Amino acid sequence: SAVISQKPSRDICQRGTSLTIQCQVDSQVTMMFWYRQQPGQSLTLIATANQGSEATYESGFVIDKFPISRPNLTFSTLTVSNMSPEDSSIYLCSVDTAGGTDTQYFGPGTRLTVL
Amino acid sequence: AQSVTQLGSHVSVSEGALVLLRCNYSSSVPPYLFWYVQYPNQGLQLLLKYTSAATLVKGINGFEAEFKKSETSFHLTKPSAHMSDAAEYFCAVSVRGSGGNQFYFGTGTSLTVIP
Repeated sequence: SAVISQKPSRDICQRGTSLTIQCQVDSQVTMMFWYRQQPGQSLTLIATANQGSEATYESGFVIDKFPISRPNLTFSTLTVSNMSPEDSSIYLCSVDTAGGTDTQYFGPGTRLTVL
Repeated sequence: AQSVTQLGSHVSVSEGALVLLRCNYSSSVPPYLFWYVQYPNQGLQLLLKYTSAATLVKGINGFEAEFKKSETSFHLTKPSAHMSDAAEYFCAVSVRGSGGNQFYFGTGTSLTVIP
């Protein structure tokens, strides 16, 4: 398994501002993922972040709105840019441990409220 | 195409009663299947996973799930519900593709345990 931490755990932001969420893993992993969980809903994959390459975004998500960095094998950031109330969600990062069962392990999430 | 369907967005059981949370999947290739639990204000925790070994999978906290290929199901059960089991439960299917491992989540089932 992997131990994953996220910062901040929660934040309240003003419309039009940006927030960068950090995800730290206790071991080196190839693939990291960012998900959004809107209130009362399931998880939606935003993008896949591999070290040394550009993030791959899912349909409906664009780099200008959700820029991602992946500077090394244990760390990634997701920025939510020019926020609106519709961006209020829980943002979760996860890692794929690979090696056969390809299980994803999740961080505790960042609860974002945009006013 | 891959998808996951969780029947029943809300399930209520009495403390000590059987817990049954339903999950059906569709997949064009043999899948890996997972159940995750999300306690209030927390991230997702892996309960158990099926990886093409034994069809009856035992997880943490007394939960187990049975993979039934003929029914394309992976229902989660626990013989006796405990108050601490109250949480949101997500079924997920993982399929390896050319771009890596893709996870598909169900919409979640909220479990309430009645004392």
